[in-house]
Amino acid sequence: DVKVTQSSRYLVKRTGEKVFLECVQDMDHENMFWYRQDPGLGLRLIYFSYDVKMKEKGDIPEGYSVSREKKERFSLILESASTNQTSMYLCASSWDSFNQPQHFGDGTRLSIL
Amino acid sequence: AQSVTQLGSHVSVSEGALVLLRCNYSSSVPPYLFWYVQYPNQGLQLLLKYTTGATLVKGINGFEAEFKKSETSFHLTKPSAHMSDAAEYFCAVSEGINTGTASKLTFGTGTRLQVTL
Repeated sequence: DVKVTQSSRYLVKRTGEKVFLECVQDMDHENMFWYRQDPGLGLRLIYFSYDVKMKEKGDIPEGYSVSREKKERFSLILESASTNQTSMYLCASSWDSFNQPQHFGDGTRLSIL
Repeated sequence: AQSVTQLGSHVSVSEGALVLLRCNYSSSVPPYLFWYVQYPNQGLQLLLKYTTGATLVKGINGFEAEFKKSETSFHLTKPSAHMSDAAEYFCAVSEGINTGTASKLTFGTGTRLQVTL
């Protein structure tokens, strides 16, 4: 079974802090994704990566950056956390193929105070 | 650009009743369609997918979905609801057209299923 592991289930940070969310997958997938999930808005793509050191902006990249130095690891960075970034963050990975599903981690519930 | 519409943000059914969750999509390319389920405080889990071939797709936990191209729909059904089916369900369409974006998905806003006794 594919395993996507997010480093924290719950995280509380303060405004202005630099926040790192880590995600690791064990299937050698090419593609990795970061989403945020908010009630009534579904999943919104922040960034995705299709190879090591490669990244593309999703629908809501403002205030975020990402890093993919190794194939199995994809990090989401909140450069200066703000209260409107309080949310559930989900990481996913997949093969780079049209008919392949994304596999999700359990999510990180981030609160910015 | 692809889009997904899930009709009804909340659906309530009695235990043993039919479950019907609606999903309509728009896509400029032949669609690949997915249903995911999310239980409280967990990530998304794949229920089923349609890629090519048979338009009636069976998934886990007794769910199935039928791809209807003429109606641009991919509704999710289960003949008899169980309490354990209470969760949020997401429909998604693949929007990738190039290498590197092939598995990129557009998600609907989700439908929360409540199952009552």
